[in-house]
Amino acid sequence: KQEVTQIPAALSVPEGENLVLNCSFTDSAIYNLQWFRQDPGKGLTSLLLIQSSQREQTSGRLNASLDKSSGRSTLYIAASQPGDSATYLCAVPNYGGSQGNLIFGKGTKLSVKP
Amino acid sequence: KAGVTQTPRYLIKTRGQQVTLSCSPISGHRSVSWYQQTPGQGLQFLFEYFSETQRNKGNFPGRFSGRQFSNSRSEMNVSTLELGDSALYLCASSLSIGHDTGELFFGEGSRLTVL
Repeated sequence: KQEVTQIPAALSVPEGENLVLNCSFTDSAIYNLQWFRQDPGKGLTSLLLIQSSQREQTSGRLNASLDKSSGRSTLYIAASQPGDSATYLCAVPNYGGSQGNLIFGKGTKLSVKP
Repeated sequence: KAGVTQTPRYLIKTRGQQVTLSCSPISGHRSVSWYQQTPGQGLQFLFEYFSETQRNKGNFPGRFSGRQFSNSRSEMNVSTLELGDSALYLCASSLSIGHDTGELFFGEGSRLTVL
């Protein structure tokens, strides 16, 4: 059974720092991995989707990497800003399911202090 | 281009009642999924619809049901509400079904409180 874990559960950093969020999964037979951001009381915003054949995906100050063999993905945020404060979630398609059937980690709650 | 729209955004019900939530996917998206989010369990998959047919189902009791209409809009229903059903219910849409359909896009959610 696929399980997705995100450590740490919470992270607080000063503004301007570069930081890395971690995501691990137990079954390496994934098709892709998607990173989301969730602001308090809001829905999820898609940040990046990495296909299993890719090693990295970049969007602005965000860079996500994927290492299927080790069951890990990282989300790198450069020059963090207070507006980056949110909960970041990673998710993979459930084995045998489709892109609409995702298994999520519990998320990392990021706080960027001015 | 409008995003995924969910209604109502907030609602309060009492135990034993039933509730219906609505979701309009992004224009052109044909797959709609529903998730339940609670502080303890996180995000859990409820079901997925494509072409008016339920394609995948999560591990939830039969009190949770849904349907999809010919215009891809979807509704989910929870009958005989329990206190534990209090949660944020999120709807998501994608272009199609399968692993290569691109990103999943979420709505703002419907916050259900059961008293």
